[in-house]
Amino acid sequence: EVQLVESGGGLVKPGGSLRLSCAASGFTFSDAWMLWVRQPPGMGLEWIGRIISKVHGGAIDYAAPVKGRFTISRDDSKNMLYLQMNSLRTEDTAVYYCIAIRDLGYWGQGTLVTVSS
Amino acid sequence: QAVVTQEPSLTVSPGGTVTLTCGSSAETVTSVHYPYWFQQKPGQAPRTLIYDTDNKHSWTPARFSGSLLGGKAALTLSGAQPEDEADYFCLISHGGTRVFGGGTKLTVL
Repeated sequence: EVQLVESGGGLVKPGGSLRLSCAASGFTFSDAWMLWVRQPPGMGLEWIGRIISKVHGGAIDYAAPVKGRFTISRDDSKNMLYLQMNSLRTEDTAVYYCIAIRDLGYWGQGTLVTVSS
Repeated sequence: QAVVTQEPSLTVSPGGTVTLTCGSSAETVTSVHYPYWFQQKPGQAPRTLIYDTDNKHSWTPARFSGSLLGGKAALTLSGAQPEDEADYFCLISHGGTRVFGGGTKLTVL
């Protein structure tokens, strides 16, 4: 059974940091192109960034609002995807999803990040 | 950054056909933008329906199809069912980045 399970969300003060994790199982994670996407409460989806599989070069791209503050990484030996979030702002409050994109199409259930003083 | 536009809301009758579109402010949407379509029901995580313009996943109902139409990506629902009432989001690629549309709220009524 395919699973993507995000963890690490919670309440953090503005300016703080948080690291989200995404545990993958049931598919060949090392071949997967992975995305992080977020959804503010009651709003639409926002693309945060992607990391390509190492066999395809391992490139990482970010959306402009998070570039320089967020870092995506992966550990293929552990089937894990990470999102390090620094200098958090109130507008970063959202449910964060990891996705295995392209022909996989798998989504996690999401983890809520709340940035508030 | 390009703005990706979708119809804010659409209504379709049960058994009817509806087409949702996804356009870009930057340029005509083609296959090189690798359009995706996602469905989200209230309280649930989204799920992927279509990838790379017109490819379906094993779980995608046959009544959904993806295409390019008039310079936009399109999602056509033929034979709408009550359970198709949901929000639909498109995602298109612009170089190394990707942009979501604002979503279409589809009502089956």
